[in-house]
Amino acid sequence: EAGVAQSPRYKIIEKRQSVAFWCNPISGHATLYWYQQILGQGPKLLIQFQNNGVVDDSQLPKDRFSAERLKGVDSTLKIQPAKLEDSAVYLCASSLGGGQVVLTFGAGSRLTVL
Amino acid sequence: KQEVTQIPAALSVPEGENLVLNCSFTDSAIYNLQWFRQDPGKGLTSLLLIQSSQREQTSGRLNASLDKSSGRSTLYIAASQPGDSATYLCAASSWGKFQFGAGTQVVVTP
Repeated sequence: EAGVAQSPRYKIIEKRQSVAFWCNPISGHATLYWYQQILGQGPKLLIQFQNNGVVDDSQLPKDRFSAERLKGVDSTLKIQPAKLEDSAVYLCASSLGGGQVVLTFGAGSRLTVL
Repeated sequence: KQEVTQIPAALSVPEGENLVLNCSFTDSAIYNLQWFRQDPGKGLTSLLLIQSSQREQTSGRLNASLDKSSGRSTLYIAASQPGDSATYLCAASSWGKFQFGAGTQVVVTP
């Protein structure tokens, strides 16, 4: 089966600019996660979708970050305006949902904010 | 709130030695515990998943144990190889939410 697809792989922007990341989960996976991984740390959950509904966005900085999952398939994570501390790898993961909670990750999108 | 700790943060062993990686979690009400491998610049690759009802899980040279009562999981890698060099992360799952440790960076020297 095809894996979790993410793009772009790398992005360099100036602070206060905007950026968007895209994720296409494994076909049939109802649950989609966006994680932020800062160098040397474990992934931190930003937002979790179940189909096209938000399950958890408690750690999403809503003043600058937004995410959507239209039609319950692919998803977009946007940052506007970006800050220096947003430099990180943004990881998308998916799972079947329900009792099946094996996480499958994409390769990630590395963001550098200058 | 679940907290996951991995100690040590880094580990270096000569090729052929067995690796022992530790993962501690504070809330024993977990659904499962998953071990991942992360290579530099890459995403996370799932290695083993232990359901809360299981005590251990094995795949090839990898063996993971789970002791919910003490809040610990251990990943054993037998006869380490240079290709095992990577960062290993554990994640505790409760109600579909995953809490990750910061990982243990492993270097296996030839």
